Amino acid sequence: NAGVTQTPKFQVLKTGQSMTLQCAQDMNHNSMYWYRQDPGMGLRLIYYSASEGTTDKGEVPNGYNVSRLNKREFSLRLESAAPSQTSVYFCASSETQAATNEKLFFGSGTQLSVL
Amino acid sequence: RKEVEQDPGPFNVPEGATVAFNCTYSNSASQSFFWYRQDCRKEPKLLMSVYSSGNEDGRFTAQLNRASQYISLLIRDSKLSDSATYLCVVALLSASKIIFGSGTRLSIRP
Repeated sequence: NAGVTQTPKFQVLKTGQSMTLQCAQDMNHNSMYWYRQDPGMGLRLIYYSASEGTTDKGEVPNGYNVSRLNKREFSLRLESAAPSQTSVYFCASSETQAATNEKLFFGSGTQLSVL
Repeated sequence: RKEVEQDPGPFNVPEGATVAFNCTYSNSASQSFFWYRQDCRKEPKLLMSVYSSGNEDGRFTAQLNRASQYISLLIRDSKLSDSATYLCVVALLSASKIIFGSGTRLSIRP
């Protein structure tokens, strides 16, 4: 079972470049999330999608946009990358919205460096 | 003050030892609690939920102390494979909010 698949695994960008991180899940989950993880900090929620057709801002949404393309796919776009966006990005999914009382399934992460 | 705080470690203990670490949370309205495990350069994975009465899963025991607002994780008879970072996770159901701690790094030596 693939679970949650993220691409790419690694990416190096120059300041000002744009890129899209792709995420897909095959578990028929309703909710999907994008987190970033920085050294010494917990995972911080960037955006989430409680269900197909909806998206909401998380704790650190500035500089990012998302698209819930369909139930399976949830992409994260950096329109103009900045060095402060250097981080490890994780996509996650859960069966229902909020996932406050159930398991989160994570993708394997994307290591992004912005020079 | 961080909403969820953990001692970053590292905790370095010999194989077979018992090790415990705590996590404190600031919001008394927190309702659900979890421990996730994260191996180096890998994604987090759910280790166990933490129930009010405490719960055990094999060598792992989780406890919740609402009065003092902390949760704990105890690992008995530690194995080399237990080396990882352990993330404390607190959820506020009313706010649909999940908060991750920054993790406690555990290293088990032979």
